[in-house]
Amino acid sequence: KAGVTQTPRYLIKTRGQQVTLSCSPISGHRSVSWYQQTPGQGLQFLFEYFSETQRNKGNFPGRFSGRQFSNSRSEMNVSTLELGDSALYLCASSSTDPTYNEQFFGPGTRLTVL
Amino acid sequence: AQTVTQSQPEMSVQEAETVTLSCTYDTSESDYYLFWYKQPPSRQMILVIRQEAYKQQNATENRFSVNFQKAAKSFSLKISDSQLGDAAMYFCAYRSQTPIYNNNDMRFGAGTRLTVKP
Repeated sequence: KAGVTQTPRYLIKTRGQQVTLSCSPISGHRSVSWYQQTPGQGLQFLFEYFSETQRNKGNFPGRFSGRQFSNSRSEMNVSTLELGDSALYLCASSSTDPTYNEQFFGPGTRLTVL
Repeated sequence: AQTVTQSQPEMSVQEAETVTLSCTYDTSESDYYLFWYKQPPSRQMILVIRQEAYKQQNATENRFSVNFQKAAKSFSLKISDSQLGDAAMYFCAYRSQTPIYNNNDMRFGAGTRLTVKP
């Protein structure tokens, strides 16, 4: 099976702009989670989607949003970008089989806000 | 809420030697999963090893093994015969063993950066 893919891999934006990141989970996985990784804050949970529904959300402002499509692909959007949004954004997918509860990560999207 | 603590921001080991990375967690649940993930520099995060809380036997994967102490809420990772390729950021993670259709996001520690010296 192909792994989790994320596009684009690198992105440079300026303050005030908005950005959309995409994630394609492993085939058959219906759960997709998003994380923000920064040197200072580590890995912080953004939100999780399952069957097109957001079922869990981290402590991030409303500028961060996401959605999931019927094919389980997910997008996250950040509006009105701030310098502090510069980070590696990781997407991870999980199987619905309770035997396997680990998350499989994509390579990430490196977002730089100037 | 569950929290995961990695008290060693950085660790160093000589090639071919053994190193142990520490992890403690806080939870009131009795059933859960614990994981160690490895993130090499500029590379993808991958799963190293997983442990189900209901299993008393410590998990092993080749040179990687864990010391799972449920009562102490401790979950350390031992890397034997360290190799240069083991150099990476290591994250300890916790996930509740609730039914998959409920909320069960993964909680990560702050990470330990492992350096392997030749």
